[in-house]
Amino acid sequence: DAKTTQPTSMDCAEGRAANLPCNHSTISGNEYVYWYRQIHSQGPQYIIHGLKNNETNEMASLIITEDRKSSTLILPHATLRDTAVYYCIVSDNQAGTALIFGKGTTLSVSS
Amino acid sequence: NAGVTQTPKFRILKIGQSMTLQCAQDMNHNYMYWYRQDPGMGLKLIYYSVGAGITDKGEVPNGYNVSRSTTEDFPLRLELAAPSQTSVYFCASTRGGGAHTGELFFGEGSRLTVL
Repeated sequence: DAKTTQPTSMDCAEGRAANLPCNHSTISGNEYVYWYRQIHSQGPQYIIHGLKNNETNEMASLIITEDRKSSTLILPHATLRDTAVYYCIVSDNQAGTALIFGKGTTLSVSS
Repeated sequence: NAGVTQTPKFRILKIGQSMTLQCAQDMNHNYMYWYRQDPGMGLKLIYYSVGAGITDKGEVPNGYNVSRSTTEDFPLRLELAAPSQTSVYFCASTRGGGAHTGELFFGEGSRLTVL
């Protein structure tokens, strides 16, 4: 059973912020929220992760609601190179716990 | 650092043949993983390893075998290839431990076709 729900696709204009939502209403207290993306047929690329607090790095920001049942990945200034499939994943960080990638959200950035 | 290196990048096998997909990482990561991705689908975990000499099954291990004799290498063996094993195979690694266990570094993939 999927632990996360994401929209199938989203569009964004180049230069604008892309806000990708994710629902994880059954998340456990020890589970982190991870975001990855996969550009075309390349290997997935780690973007960011968080537990309770909002996080920011050079690639993106992660906003987690107070009840932790949903989160939003923000790409502040989307470029054409950000066109990819974005995966929201919850994980308890145990070595044998498979990161369940699901089908993700296909983000299309256009000029 | 080269990161995670997979070979070969492409391979066509006949039904019943066997082969090994190679994976090497130069980041001194303890944890390594093999995933497969069928067209239009997400990734499924085949096998994983938390260190040299230690391996365990993931979600879809049937038809595959692995070994981990060194920290750097984690080869995936396909025995008696079947058309259902046509897929893209990704190897990944992470330093593991605590909050960083889920920060995986992936290779570029090995595209396997079984005819």
